[in-house]
Amino acid sequence: SQTIHQWPATLVQPVGSPLSLECTVEGTSNPNLYWYRQAAGRGLQLLFYSVGIGQISSEVPQNLSASRPQDRQFILSSKKLLLSDSGFYLCAWALGPSGEQYFGPGTRLTVT
Amino acid sequence: LAKTTQPISMDSYEGQEVNITCSHNNIATNDYITWYQQFPSQGPRFIIQGYKTKVTNEVASLFIPADRKSSTLSLPRVSLSDTAVYYCLVGRDNYGQNFVFGPGTRLSVLP
Repeated sequence: SQTIHQWPATLVQPVGSPLSLECTVEGTSNPNLYWYRQAAGRGLQLLFYSVGIGQISSEVPQNLSASRPQDRQFILSSKKLLLSDSGFYLCAWALGPSGEQYFGPGTRLTVT
Repeated sequence: LAKTTQPISMDSYEGQEVNITCSHNNIATNDYITWYQQFPSQGPRFIIQGYKTKVTNEVASLFIPADRKSSTLSLPRVSLSDTAVYYCLVGRDNYGQNFVFGPGTRLSVLP
């Protein structure tokens, strides 16, 4: 069966500090991978998606970046966090463009 | 991009059937309709997906009229554990702005 992992589960970081969130998927090959952010009480905002190693599409201009160094690994990064980067970050995977998405447990980031 | 409109919130009682309607007047020919459920501090979970008419699985039913400008998610005999946010998405694929999570409908099931 397939499993998606995210870590850390919670994170408190000061403004201006770097960020690295990691997501890995097990039990499948060549998945589409996604990073979402959810502000408190809001819907999900798609940040990045990837259809293959090294292929990243950005949906929203921001100070975040994403990388996919391996087939089942997706990393979300920032060089300098802003207060507005606080939120619940979710990684998801899907098999193909029309398949349902499977979400990870999420990382709650608080920028202070 | 097919914009969706859902009620912000709904209340129901245990054992009742709940119907959540989503409007998507600008749905394109190749778009399909997908519903997700999200509990607090968790990622969304796929419920059901359809293109036209009716789709049913072990969790819910999805009703789509012929003009496809709306859809209704039907949850039979809800329980307290069905309290969650329900999202309606419309798109031809799950890439980028073709597949957007709106604010969803917050369903509260009361005892």
